[in-house]
Amino acid sequence: DTGVSQDPRHKITKRGQNVTFRCDPISEHNRLYWYRQTLGQGPEFLTYFQNEAQLEKSRLLSDRFSAERPKGSFSTLEIQRTEQGDSAMYLCASSTLPGPQETQYFGPGTRLLVL
Amino acid sequence: AQSVTQLDSHVSVSEGTPVLLRCNYSSSYSPSLFWYVQHPNKGLQLLLKYTSAATLVKGINGFEAEFKKSETSFHLTKPSAHMSDAAEYFCVVRPSGTYKYIFGTGTRLKVLA
Repeated sequence: DTGVSQDPRHKITKRGQNVTFRCDPISEHNRLYWYRQTLGQGPEFLTYFQNEAQLEKSRLLSDRFSAERPKGSFSTLEIQRTEQGDSAMYLCASSTLPGPQETQYFGPGTRLLVL
Repeated sequence: AQSVTQLDSHVSVSEGTPVLLRCNYSSSYSPSLFWYVQHPNKGLQLLLKYTSAATLVKGINGFEAEFKKSETSFHLTKPSAHMSDAAEYFCVVRPSGTYKYIFGTGTRLKVLA
């Protein structure tokens, strides 16, 4: 399977703990995106990388959130001091071909539950 | 501000009957528009996309959508629903000159036997 992969698929943690999620994009894709999806809502943009550079962060991404893409391949999203409001599905997507034809391909997501 | 409105949060159809999922958008000049489907415990899958070529776009699994600029709509249709079509469907707009996807709130399609 050469699609976008995410690990873990599910994470249960206690409030105040730190969690880290990983995303492996499609190998030739240089753009990588993180989204958050809460119940009954569509995904909301969190942040965007082009190669290793983080070019934009949403206001949704508080100081407790940090994302990296150190070698321009896989990316990690870390949430420090988790809160119950962080419970959501975290989606990763990748793309290439900047311009009108660009299409984002999504991974299966990591479902986070903060108790 | 750019936005997407999916007019129905839930749609129920009988198997073999037509499907219509409605989407209206507000955006700047020449947006790109997409429909994605999300099955339970699976990732978002691209159904089809409009990127300023033909206004009637054909996608996978027999779905199609028509871009109507005058109505700012991009409704998704299928002539005959199948049980496997039951899922959540998202309309997405990407304003011209940006990379951000703006998702609608989704429409859950139920297909009755």
